Amino acid sequence: EVQLVESGGGLVQPGGSLTLSCAASGFTFNDYWMHWVRQAPGKGLVWVSRIGGDAYITTYADSAKGRFTISRDNAKNTLYLQMNSLRAEDTAVYYCVRGWNKFDSWGQGTLVTVSS
Amino acid sequence: QSVLTQPPSVSGPPGQRVAISCSGSRSNFGSNPMNWYQQYPGTAPKLLIYSNNQRPSGVPDRFSGSRSGTSASLAISGLQSEDEAYYYCSTWDDTLVAWVFGGGTKVTVL
Repeated sequence: EVQLVESGGGLVQPGGSLTLSCAASGFTFNDYWMHWVRQAPGKGLVWVSRIGGDAYITTYADSAKGRFTISRDNAKNTLYLQMNSLRAEDTAVYYCVRGWNKFDSWGQGTLVTVSS
Repeated sequence: QSVLTQPPSVSGPPGQRVAISCSGSRSNFGSNPMNWYQQYPGTAPKLLIYSNNQRPSGVPDRFSGSRSGTSASLAISGLQSEDEAYYYCSTWDDTLVAWVFGGGTKVTVL
């Protein structure tokens, strides 16, 4: 069974940093592209970033460029999202998602709250 | 404002057929397939339809997807109470070089 378990969310002040992790199991991790998708409270889904199976290719939404860094450790079956210069508008549930041309497995999400 | 446009809500009585539209521009539709996701409040989204009209294993055949030009549609036939949820369309946008989602549609079973 595919499992994606996010961790690392919490309360952070504006301008602060946070690193999210996603532990993957139940599939060959390095065979899959991985993504972060977020959802602000009461709002819709927004794609944040993706990384190829070998970690050579990364892509970011405009809102994440220059502030967020996606990475992965295939030996640990873990996906990361390092978030710097956080803003109030980054407040959201962040989902770890698997897929190339479709998002076929989602984690339960981790809540990031940016507030003073 | 989302790149893909969906109606905020649709509703119908049990047993009825409802359809949710998703419209975009050529830059994001192109030859890229449309996927649909179902989300219950407080839970993670679930893949419902992929590649315009394919259902993952376990998705009832009451759900169907179609695409024509720069529009796509999700239909739910024989509406059931458990279909009350939010539905999102999504595709790859060649111009933005990003995945995009519609704003979401809330389906209410009357």
